[in-house]
Amino acid sequence: EADIYQTPRYLVIGTGKKITLECSQTMGHDKMYWYQQDPGMELHLIHYSYGVNSTEKGDLSSESTVSRIRTEHFPLTLESARPSHTSQYLCASSRAEGTYEQYFGPGTRLTVT
Amino acid sequence: GDSVTQMEGPVTLSEEAFLTINCTYTATGYPSLFWYVQYPGEGLQLLLKATKADDKGSNKGFEATYRKETTSFHLEKGSVQVSDSAVYFCALLGGGSNYKLTFGKGTLLTVNP
Repeated sequence: EADIYQTPRYLVIGTGKKITLECSQTMGHDKMYWYQQDPGMELHLIHYSYGVNSTEKGDLSSESTVSRIRTEHFPLTLESARPSHTSQYLCASSRAEGTYEQYFGPGTRLTVT
Repeated sequence: GDSVTQMEGPVTLSEEAFLTINCTYTATGYPSLFWYVQYPGEGLQLLLKATKADDKGSNKGFEATYRKETTSFHLEKGSVQVSDSAVYFCALLGGGSNYKLTFGKGTLLTVNP
């Protein structure tokens, strides 16, 4: 059973607000990821991290930013939310060795009005 | 670059029917292959995996065989249940990568009683 947590699960917020989506894992995984899932179900990698103080942008350009100050914590921040940011956001983590399968959190469904 | 093509849905079956969801891939090197499942309102869960040619991954009655000659990893189950209703994603981890999962677009399966 994967131990990766995301809060909040659901968030409805007005345009222009700053938001932070939390992601934590208790598995000691070095690598962490953020995906955006569109209504058509397709997954897009928006950020990833190899470890503490490492962050990289993914395949899909995103106005969000991330930080990795602790191994277990990988928050995503939107400085000024817009309706185009409405989506499902999924956090994942994986080991640095082996078959690298990723373990996913339950997701945060964000709606910007 | 790496890519995954999976059967478009939605797929609707009656309980106890046989399920096949086709997945083919393009990758350099020797990728690892995965099937993930996403139940309504949840994140992705790893269903099964295969790391080399001719490996068979299996879990919860689902099976998939890594076929290098046909670059395929089709998901099968002999008798589906209503509880199998979910979105299924085929994914690969490229042989030259140690982090980037490439996902198919997902297949929605609905099983009716």
